[in-house]
Amino acid sequence: AQSVTQPDIHITVSEGASLELRCNYSYGATPYLFWYVQSPGQGLQLLLKYFSGDTLVQGIKGFEAEFKRSQSSFNLRKPSVHWSDAAEYFCAVGPSGYSTLTFGKGTMLLVSP
Amino acid sequence: DVKVTQSSRYLVKRTGEKVFLECVQDMDHENMFWYRQDPGLGLRLIYFSYDVKMKEKGDIPEGYSVSREKKERFSLILESASTNQTSMYLCASSLQTGHTGELFFGEGSRLTVL
Repeated sequence: AQSVTQPDIHITVSEGASLELRCNYSYGATPYLFWYVQSPGQGLQLLLKYFSGDTLVQGIKGFEAEFKRSQSSFNLRKPSVHWSDAAEYFCAVGPSGYSTLTFGKGTMLLVSP
Repeated sequence: DVKVTQSSRYLVKRTGEKVFLECVQDMDHENMFWYRQDPGLGLRLIYFSYDVKMKEKGDIPEGYSVSREKKERFSLILESASTNQTSMYLCASSLQTGHTGELFFGEGSRLTVL
């Protein structure tokens, strides 16, 4: 069965500092990987996705993620965090585009002034 | 833009009541999903549907049922609400063949069962 681990429940980053959120997955075949963001009181919005090809993928809002098969990881990064990035971030894995996704438990990002 | 609308943002119900959570999407998506979100547990899939009148159990279907009579509408039903069903419920939709994996989410329905 597929699974996703987000080791950090909370992360606090100073505004302007760089950010890396960790995601490790367990899946037998080539995974489809996703990062979603949820602002307070809102639904989830897709930040970026990886299916194949270039292992460094660019997303919206200046985010990027790198797929590392050898480490079973898909970490999310941003070079300079803005206060508006404070939200909860979810990593997800799935076998194909239309099948069901398995989500991690989320990482809450707090941005300090 | 795709819009997924959950008709009730906040509901308060009593134990034993029958609860309907409604979800409508306006982009002709084949797939629709109901997730439950709890602090520290992330999103857990309750039920999903690939087509009208079709439904599949997710990871935590117990205590829930669903209905999909029209393509754009997917309802989650709690036959007899219990306090452990107090949660945030998220509806989502996606294309069948797009292979994008992009789920479009509604804003959620926060249910409190007293």
